[in-house]
Amino acid sequence: GENVEQHPSTLSVQEGDSAVIKCTYSDSASNYFPWYKQELGKRPQLIIDIRSNVGEKKDQRIAVTLNKTAKHFSLHITETQPEDSAVYFCAASDFGNEKLTFGTGTRLTIIP
Amino acid sequence: GAGVSQSPSNKVTEKGKDVELRCDPISGHTALYWYRQSLGQGLEFLIYFQGNSAPDKSGLPSDRFSAERTGGSVSTLTIQRTQQEDSAVYLCASSLARGSYEQYFGPGTRLTVT
Repeated sequence: GENVEQHPSTLSVQEGDSAVIKCTYSDSASNYFPWYKQELGKRPQLIIDIRSNVGEKKDQRIAVTLNKTAKHFSLHITETQPEDSAVYFCAASDFGNEKLTFGTGTRLTIIP
Repeated sequence: GAGVSQSPSNKVTEKGKDVELRCDPISGHTALYWYRQSLGQGLEFLIYFQGNSAPDKSGLPSDRFSAERTGGSVSTLTIQRTQQEDSAVYLCASSLARGSYEQYFGPGTRLTVT
């Protein structure tokens, strides 16, 4: 089955700086890669996703890049703000499966 | 519109007792997922329902865990003979249809086994 590894487990960045979280996956059949944000005590929410037919996707301060050859994808947050502090989870699945396999999460702390 | 709801929000039970956790997905969503999240950990897949298809039970950790989905809507996760290691937050999620993929999560049920 799919195995998703996520790094780092914790990340602290100064407000205004950029943050990068990286994930690798094992199943070459995977072709859907979402990122979820979970604030303390709240439910996970989708913030951005990417499918395998594109290499990069942006949404304002958030971007995701995908390298299918290397089987890794990354989340980039620019101009970080205090409200970006949360746990971020990457995930992977293939269209035929629809079962998401999640990474172990990254706790991001933005230092004011 | 209403999101995914779960009940109870908190459940404290004694070791060895059975518990039932309920999930009400978003109306019209055909796919329903159960996950377990231990303190400070990631999301562990438990079971997946899609329409009238047989559920994917590959993530259930033991035969003490079971789930059903009645009428293609409400789902119940049952844990029999609870153990302390079952303590976690149990999250339910639903998605619109096959190929839609965005999963909408409920608020979770925090289960504590004493």
